[in-house]
Amino acid sequence: DQQVKQNSPSLSVQEGRISILNCDYTNSMFDYFLWYKKYPAEGPTFLISISSIKDKNEDGRFTVFLNKSAKHLSLHIVPSQPGDSAVYFCAASAVSGYALNFGKGTSLLVTP
Amino acid sequence: GAGVSQTPSNKVTEKGKYVELRCDPISGHTALYWYRQSLGQGPEFLIYFQGTGAADDSGLPNDRFFAVRPEGSVSTLKIQRTERGDSAVYLCASSPLAGDGYTQYFGPGTRLTVL
Repeated sequence: DQQVKQNSPSLSVQEGRISILNCDYTNSMFDYFLWYKKYPAEGPTFLISISSIKDKNEDGRFTVFLNKSAKHLSLHIVPSQPGDSAVYFCAASAVSGYALNFGKGTSLLVTP
Repeated sequence: GAGVSQTPSNKVTEKGKYVELRCDPISGHTALYWYRQSLGQGPEFLIYFQGTGAADDSGLPNDRFFAVRPEGSVSTLKIQRTERGDSAVYLCASSPLAGDGYTQYFGPGTRLTVL
């Protein structure tokens, strides 16, 4: 049973534009959310996280928004760069938890 | 400093054989995790160590899978009587402590292929 869902397998965006990656979750016990970025043949690299006590967290070009009532979070990348092309995974963990629950990933392609 | 390292990077074996996959966590990290990523899927949790003990092994698919971390640092994931369905990328991650707010840092993974 997939508790974290990324319904868009792929996304293509022009360089300089905004990339928006979406993630939905079903478990109301999840209280910590992360985005990881993965290049081929490498492990996932931590990008940004957000606790359920916040609704927004920003780090440079990356912003994560959390809507707890809708059980939805999104990652915004502005401006998008070709080096951002990778697979992005949304992950969540429950209260006092440690095991991350991952979505299936969204493959982002940023074209020049 | 050095990140999480995993060896081997690739392992090809035959059905029924035994394999060991090794993980070297970031120095000083007490929490260590194993995940498995099948094609087209996100990583799935297998087991978590806090120090030397397996605090949660609920993600291990069956008793052919076993993991150890005898000295609280390096961990070995052991798979007996491998099956073709075990083919996947096995990822190891570590964090300073376990729980919310402690980011898990992943290694590059070991790609296991069972023929």
